[in-house]
Amino acid sequence: DAGVIQSPRHEVTEMGQEVTLRCKPISGHDYLFWYRQTMMRGLELLIYFNNNVPIDDSGMPEDRFSAKMPNASFSTLKIQPSEPRDSAVYFCASSFSQGALNTEAFFGQGTRLTVV
Amino acid sequence: AQKVTQAQTEISVVEKEDVTLDCVYETRDTTYYLFWYKQPPSGELVFLIRRNSFDEQNEISGRYSWNFQKSTSSFNFTITASQVVDSAVYFCALSGSNTGNQFYFGTGTSLTVIP
Repeated sequence: DAGVIQSPRHEVTEMGQEVTLRCKPISGHDYLFWYRQTMMRGLELLIYFNNNVPIDDSGMPEDRFSAKMPNASFSTLKIQPSEPRDSAVYFCASSFSQGALNTEAFFGQGTRLTVV
Repeated sequence: AQKVTQAQTEISVVEKEDVTLDCVYETRDTTYYLFWYKQPPSGELVFLIRRNSFDEQNEISGRYSWNFQKSTSSFNFTITASQVVDSAVYFCALSGSNTGNQFYFGTGTSLTVIP
């Protein structure tokens, strides 16, 4: 497997524009996580899915953020409208459940978002 | 509540020194996993190890070793004979059976190995 694939790797956009980040999890994984990493706040969980269903979106900063997982092999994180404070590295990760627990999460390369 | 604490924000060592990265966790789960990840300067997050809460045996992999002690809720990571390539941010994480299977990450320890 190629691992978790994120696109784009880098995104520079102007304030107010819509940004869509994409993620392809590892085949067979039933959990998908979106994280945001900044120097100030570290690694933050934004939202995660189990079998394509959102389980916890309490980490989503505000209504400008939305995430979808239309099928087991694809997820998007959308920011509309984007603001400079959204600049960060966004990671997607996937894992599979083994009994009552998740195994390790495998991370994509991340999308470095810069909003100017 | 689930919580992972990495009290060491930054550590610098000279090459070939041994270094231990501390991780203390809190959980109400009786069944859980603990993890260590490495984030090198290139930015990706690399999985290093997973440890089941029922298995307190220490583990060694090359220059890396992990010490899991439930009595002190710690899962420490030791690098022996450090190398410049070990310079990275290291994250400890926890995932429990009763908290939706999400991962709780510590704030990371930045390790710099000086040649």
